[in-house]
Amino acid sequence: EVRLVDSGGGLVQPGGSLILSCETAGFTFNNSAMTWVRQAPGKGLEWVSTISATGISTYYAESVKARFTISRDNSRNILYLQMHSLRAEDTATYYCAKDRSGWPYWGQGTLVIVSS
Amino acid sequence: SYELTQPVSVSVALGQTARITCEGNNIGSKSVHWYQQRPGQAPVLVIYRDASRPSGIPDRFSGSNSGNTATLTISRAQAGDEADYYCQVLDVPTVIFGGGTKLTVL
Repeated sequence: EVRLVDSGGGLVQPGGSLILSCETAGFTFNNSAMTWVRQAPGKGLEWVSTISATGISTYYAESVKARFTISRDNSRNILYLQMHSLRAEDTATYYCAKDRSGWPYWGQGTLVIVSS
Repeated sequence: SYELTQPVSVSVALGQTARITCEGNNIGSKSVHWYQQRPGQAPVLVIYRDASRPSGIPDRFSGSNSGNTATLTISRAQAGDEADYYCQVLDVPTVIFGGGTKLTVL
């Protein structure tokens, strides 16, 4: 059974940093691209970032480029999202998802609140 | 940048057919995926690659894609189908979502 478990969310002040994790199981992690998607309260889905299976290639939405860094540990089957210079508009539930597009498997989401 | 446009809301009578559209420039040349999201839950993939259904998704859900419009069709609508629906495409290297459609079953 494929499992994705998001964690690391919480309350952070504007300008602060946070690291999200996505622990995975049930599939060959190092064969799968992985993606982060977020959803602000009451809003639609927004793609954040994708990383290739090897970790060599990364892609970012313009709204987070140069502030967020996606990475992965293929030895531990964990996906990460490092978030810096956080803004109020980054407040959202963050989901990890397996693959580049058309995601059948999602984490349960972790809530990030950026507020003073 | 590429944009996808969905109606904000669609209503359907119980047992009837609902159609949710997703418009984009020459979207027929892209592979469209559809997600259902109920309040407080993670999205669920209901249609992938325009018209394929993941295992466990009822055959009441179907999809089509041609020209500038992709369509998610829900036949014999049930109360449990009431949710937000999102279309999504890969516009290399980015991923694009439609704004979402709230489906109400009357």
